[in-house]
This record gives sequence, C-alpha cells and structure tokens, in this order.
Amino acid sequence: SQQGEEDPQALSIQEGENATMNCSYKTSINNLQWYRQNSGRGLVHLILIRSNEREKHSGRLRVTLDTSKKSSSLLITASRAADTASYFCASFPIQENSGGSNYKLTFGKGTLLTVNP
Amino acid sequence: GAVVSQHPSWVICKSGTSVKIECRSLDFQATTMFWYRQFPKQSLMLMATSNEGSKATYEQGVEKDKFLINHASLTLSTLTVTSAHPEDSSFYICSAPKGTARWSTGELFFGEGSRLTVL
Repeated sequence: SQQGEEDPQALSIQEGENATMNCSYKTSINNLQWYRQNSGRGLVHLILIRSNEREKHSGRLRVTLDTSKKSSSLLITASRAADTASYFCASFPIQENSGGSNYKLTFGKGTLLTVNP
Repeated sequence: GAVVSQHPSWVICKSGTSVKIECRSLDFQATTMFWYRQFPKQSLMLMATSNEGSKATYEQGVEKDKFLINHASLTLSTLTVTSAHPEDSSFYICSAPKGTARWSTGELFFGEGSRLTVL
C-alpha cells in the first residue's frame, strides 16, 4: 500500500530556478529517503535523512524532515534540464531489535519535475 | 557502488505465454530482493519480497500462482509471469537492500526495470 503523498504531483520550472517537492507519511519512521526515476528507468537513491535529523544537504539537494508533522521536503537548487525526472519519497519504518524483518520501504506517489531549458 | 542488473529490459509476448524476468546483484549478496510493479505515471507497488532459500512473501492481492518468484542464490531472483494476459502489461522493477537485515537502512538499489507488453 502507498502511504506517502507527494505534492505537487507535477512541477514545471525554468532552468536555474529552485524546485521544492513535499512528502507526507503516516507511520513512525527510522528514516526517510528520496529517489529519482528517469522515464522508463529504475530508481536511483538520492539522499537519506534519519528520524533524529531535521535537515540534510547533498550537493544541490536539501532535505528537511519534520517528524511532528510527518512530512519531508526536497529542494533542488539551481535546477538543470537534466534534473527532469520523477522524484519519490520513501519511508523506512522503525526496525525491531531482532534484526529487522520489516524493512520494506513505503513509496509516495511521486512528483514529476520538468525543467525547461 | 552496488549494481543491480535486470533482464530483459523489455519483452513482448503473446497472451497465454509465460515470461521470466531476472534480477541479479552484481557486486554484493542479496538475501532479500523486492519486486515492484509500476503503472504509467504512478508510484511503485510492492508485489512481493523474495527471500533466498525460502518462499517469497507476497503482498495482499498479488496472485502467487500468477507471479512466481524464485530466489535460488544470493545474487539471483527471478519473477515469472505465468499465462500472461494484456492486463499484466506493466513495468516491473526489482531492488535489493544495501545491507543485511540487521544493519540495513532500507536503502535500495534498483534494477533498470523490465517493460512487459502482452498482446
């Protein structure tokens, strides 16, 4: 089942602008991850933020996490045409001490980002 | 970094035939792999968890006899769509976690996906 919700569902911007995508989730998490998917391809892991972190940076990516609101945002700065893709958030549940048999990610519905040259 | 290879990348078959999709972890061992299905412009739907040396765990609503999963080695999982019909046409993606269950952060490495078209 898909618990996460991203908004907007689609976003179209000009090169050089910043793109912000939001994600909400429903259960308590160990971490939240963002993935990118180019059309017709598999997903690529972008960044992971742990439940005890509030903000994380990686290159042009900035992720925030608000566990009280069960939400996260992904900011891509100075966007490029090559950033055009679908972006998915994925929540990873808190694991049991026994070794974590329940380590399935729950993916959001995704945001289709189009960066126009 | 770790690489997951999925094959074939696309396949067209006639209704009633069976199609096998392979998912290989190339530079790491994967005791668990996940199989997803994705419809156009939609998110990933987890179909089943493939476990090396044991039976796969299917998600609710996924037909076990329709989607056969075999995880015979630590680097290979296969998904066989049996007696395929046009409604089985979809994009199928496999993935494997980065670490062992005990230490995994849940980060997944994905294959490139397999586009199945059933005529």
